Amino acid sequence: KQEVTQIPAALSVPEGENLVLNCSFTDSAIYNLQWFRQDPGKGLTSLLLIQSSQREQTSGRLNASLDKSSGRSTLYIAASQPGDSATYLCAVKDGGSQGNLIFGKGTKLSVKP
Amino acid sequence: NAGVTQTPKFRVLKTGQSMTLLCAQDMNHEYMYWYRQDPGMGLRLIHYSVGEGTTAKGEVPDGYNVSRLKKQNFLLGLESAAPSQTSVYFCASSPNTGVFEETQYFGPGTRLLVL
Repeated sequence: KQEVTQIPAALSVPEGENLVLNCSFTDSAIYNLQWFRQDPGKGLTSLLLIQSSQREQTSGRLNASLDKSSGRSTLYIAASQPGDSATYLCAVKDGGSQGNLIFGKGTKLSVKP
Repeated sequence: NAGVTQTPKFRVLKTGQSMTLLCAQDMNHEYMYWYRQDPGMGLRLIHYSVGEGTTAKGEVPDGYNVSRLKKQNFLLGLESAAPSQTSVYFCASSPNTGVFEETQYFGPGTRLLVL
């Protein structure tokens, strides 16, 4: 059964720092991996989706990488801002889960001014 | 476009009561999902639908029923609510679940408290 783990569970950094959030998964046979953002009391917003054949995706200050063979993904946030404060969720899609998404528990990020 | 909307936003139930959560999407998506989010557990899939008139069980389906009578609506029902069903419920939709799919679009959530 696929399991997704995110480390750390919480992270606090000063504004302007570059930071890395980690995601690992136990079964490398995935179709894709996605990173979501969740603000308090709100739903999830998709940030980046990496297909299994891709190595990375970029959107603005965000860069996500995927290493299927090692079962790892990282989300890199450059020049962090207070507005980046949120919970970041990683999810993988694999055939073993009826093709549905399996989520990690998230990393709660706080960027202090 | 409103995207994915959920009704109600918040509800308090007594044990044994029933209720229906409504999810609506205006993006003409084929696939719709119901998740629950609990502290320390992450998001878990309850039921999903791959098209109008179809439903399937997810990871935690017990105690819930669903219906997809219209393509744009996906209903989640609790026939006899239990305190263990206290949670935040999210609905999502996506255009397809092919290998090279697009992402899922989430609603704002429904907070349910069962006393």
